[in-house]
Amino acid sequence: KQEVTQIPAALSVPEGENLVLNCSFTDSAIYNLQWFRQDPGKGLTSLLLIQSSQREQTSGRLNASLDKSSGRSTLYIAASQPGDSATYLCAVENGGFKTIFGAGTRLFVKA
Amino acid sequence: SQTIHQWPATLVQPVGSPLSLECTVEGTSNPNLYWYRQAAGRGLQLLFYSIGIDQISSEVPQNLSASRPQDRQFILSSKKLLLSDSGFYLCAWQGEGNGYTFGSGTRLTVV
Repeated sequence: KQEVTQIPAALSVPEGENLVLNCSFTDSAIYNLQWFRQDPGKGLTSLLLIQSSQREQTSGRLNASLDKSSGRSTLYIAASQPGDSATYLCAVENGGFKTIFGAGTRLFVKA
Repeated sequence: SQTIHQWPATLVQPVGSPLSLECTVEGTSNPNLYWYRQAAGRGLQLLFYSIGIDQISSEVPQNLSASRPQDRQFILSSKKLLLSDSGFYLCAWQGEGNGYTFGSGTRLTVV
């Protein structure tokens, strides 16, 4: 049974700092891994999708990496801004129309 | 481009009352559709998924049901709400080879 863990649960950093959010999963036979952002009381916004055959994806100040053999993905945020404050979730799809979501990392960027 | 609409945004219902939440997708055909629930401070729980009209799979035995009367319409219902049904309900769609796209969510409070 796939389990997805995100560490840390919460993170507070000063503006401008580069930071890394971690996502680990127990079953390496994945189809893809997706990172989302969720603002309070809102739906999930997709940030990056990494297919099983890919090692990383980049969008603007965001870079997500995938290491299936070690069961890990990282989301790198460069030059963090107060507007980056949100909860970040990773989701792992193993197929069979089921995707397992991590509990998220709550990020607060201080101005 | 594909869009997903979910309504209402918020809902306060008394215990024992019925429920109907609607989700529609535009700009795609034959999407996989999902209903998730997110309890406060917790991860996403898959409730139902659908791979086609009238093809619904339930993941968690509970007081809720789902229907898909049209290709791009997914409805979450209950005949009699319980206090434990309170939560944040999210609809999502998934195209072939793509990740998830979520709706804006419905905050349900059962009183």
